[in-house]
Amino acid sequence: GENVEQHPSTLSVQEGDSAVIKCTYSDSASNYFPWYKQELGKRPQLIIDIRSNVGEKKDQRIAVTLNKTAKHFSLHITETQPEDSAVYFCAATLGAGKSTFGDGTTLTVKP
Amino acid sequence: EAGVAQSPRYKIIEKRQSVAFWCNPISGHATLYWYQQILGQGPKLLIQFQNNGVVDDSQLPKDRFSAERLKGVDSTLKIQPAKLEDSAVYLCASSLAGVSYNNEQFFGPGTRLTVL
Repeated sequence: GENVEQHPSTLSVQEGDSAVIKCTYSDSASNYFPWYKQELGKRPQLIIDIRSNVGEKKDQRIAVTLNKTAKHFSLHITETQPEDSAVYFCAATLGAGKSTFGDGTTLTVKP
Repeated sequence: EAGVAQSPRYKIIEKRQSVAFWCNPISGHATLYWYQQILGQGPKLLIQFQNNGVVDDSQLPKDRFSAERLKGVDSTLKIQPAKLEDSAVYLCASSLAGVSYNNEQFFGPGTRLTVL
């Protein structure tokens, strides 16, 4: 089955710096790659996603890149703010909708 | 629009007892997922329904876990008997359709289960 590895497990940055989280996947049939943000005690919420026919997608301060050949994708957050502090999960999804999640990255943005 | 609803929000039971969780997906969403999220880990898919049929239950421990979605809307997940290692948050999610580009999943608030 699909295996998703996510790094780093924890990340601490100063407010205003950039943060990068990386994920690798094993199943080349995966075609949809969402990123979720989960604040403490709350439900995961989609922040950005990318499909396998696209190499990069940007939404304001958040961007995601996908390298299908190397089977890895990354989340980039620029100009980080304290409210960006949360756990971020990547996922790799097969065509039928089955998602495999990474184990999460705890991002702390220090003011 | 109303989000995914789950109940109860919290449940504490002793090992070997049984427990059931309920999920009401977003109206019109054909696909429903149950995930287990152990503290410090990402959500792990237990079972996926498309309408009232099972699409994937390969990671569901079928000797103790069962799930149903009889009318293709609400779903229940049951654990019988519970073990200590079942302590986790059980998340329900729904999406418009599984086999399409509309894969975005919307999560419910989860049920936090503690097995003593």
